[in-house]
Amino acid sequence: NAGVTQTPKFRILKIGQSMTLQCTQDMNHNYMYWYRQDPGMGLKLIYYSVGAGITDKGEVPNGYNVSRSTTEDFPLRLELAAPSQTSVYFCASRPVGAFRSYNSPLHFGNGTRLTVT
Amino acid sequence: EDQVTQSPEALRLQEGESSSLNCSYTVSGLRGLFWYRQDPGKGPEFLFTLYSAGEEKEKERLKATLTKKESFLHITAPKPEDSATYLCAVHRQTGANNLFFGTGTRLTVIP
Repeated sequence: NAGVTQTPKFRILKIGQSMTLQCTQDMNHNYMYWYRQDPGMGLKLIYYSVGAGITDKGEVPNGYNVSRSTTEDFPLRLELAAPSQTSVYFCASRPVGAFRSYNSPLHFGNGTRLTVT
Repeated sequence: EDQVTQSPEALRLQEGESSSLNCSYTVSGLRGLFWYRQDPGKGPEFLFTLYSAGEEKEKERLKATLTKKESFLHITAPKPEDSATYLCAVHRQTGANNLFFGTGTRLTVIP
């Protein structure tokens, strides 16, 4: 069981470039999330998905897009990268369906550190 | 407005010196409170879930407690390997986007 796998680990982008951050999980979790973590700030939710084909905006969605075509994969797309998108991005998943599963903990990947210059 | 505040921001302890980390919260309809540990360059790792005031959970040198307004993470006789950032998150009742994270406490345990 690899858990949640994120690629790449590091990336440097120039302003205006685009890229996709990859996230895949092998735990058959239906809920998946993208967070960004900035120094001195709590994790902020960008987008989330409750299942294949269903996505919704989080707290800070501007400048990002997602898709969820399979249970396993939840890529995050950055179009026209800006310096404000310099951050560490975490993908997470959790199972929902059993008793009190609304409180099932998040399983996080190890993040992608993105710098936009 | 729903808020989660962790204190202190940073804490340095000598090995064996016990202490507590605080997570204060104001949310409408608490469903649960989570503690996570985050090592540098890694994603947060789940430690505990607390559901209601008075509940306590323990794991090795860590004990988490919950009241109606705050949670404490007590660290007894810490070791250098306990050095990490400890994150608190609260789960409120409304909506699927309903998990709020604190900014964390960075713990350093000195041998």
